[in-house]
Amino acid sequence: QKEVEQNSGPLSVPEGAIASLNCTYSDRGSQSFFWYRQYSGKSPELIMFIYSNGDKEDGRFTAQLNKASQYVSLLIRDSQPSDSATYLCAVKRSNDYKLSFGAGTTVTVRA
Amino acid sequence: GAVVSQHPSRVICKSGTSVKIECRSLDFQATTMFWYRQFPKQSLMLMATSNEGSKATYEQGVEKDKFLINHASLTLSTLTVTSAHPEDSSFYICSAIGLAGRGNEQFFGPGTRLTVL
Repeated sequence: QKEVEQNSGPLSVPEGAIASLNCTYSDRGSQSFFWYRQYSGKSPELIMFIYSNGDKEDGRFTAQLNKASQYVSLLIRDSQPSDSATYLCAVKRSNDYKLSFGAGTTVTVRA
Repeated sequence: GAVVSQHPSRVICKSGTSVKIECRSLDFQATTMFWYRQFPKQSLMLMATSNEGSKATYEQGVEKDKFLINHASLTLSTLTVTSAHPEDSSFYICSAIGLAGRGNEQFFGPGTRLTVL
């Protein structure tokens, strides 16, 4: 079982719609959860991080964490063509600085 | 703030040669730097963790004699791919954490595209 799993996609959504991305993790010792966006040929950039169960909103992005289910998601509201990218879920244990990345979900927003 | 640079951004070399990639934290002191490798359409795979003034810690399966890491100062870490072969062609990305982070946020460099002919 992979440490961090994501649906590879591609996920295609029309402009203005909500894109929903899912991520599950296997290590119950994980404490910090990150969503990165990566454009083709570029390095990842941090969108959001979440530590506590529940929802965290930042602009058009909402991260949701459920530690009991070992599940973290990212919602992108009012999707724009510029949101077309690969979204990487990353997980960190509390006693470690290292990040474990999922394989990423490719999102395409259709104009 | 919290900018990480990498040099070069792109390098093409012949098989058997060595290539050095630099990772610099420009506006903060990086206590720890990480080196990742990413093959096409795959995720980032951590190669090693580098702490200033000490030996790097390599992930399982990464050859430490092939991928030499030096973290000589709080703002610079280097990765040298020795005797590079075509299968080493990849996108190499460094990241850094330090005093400028939000919690333990890793700041990523722009990456170095290595092509070995």
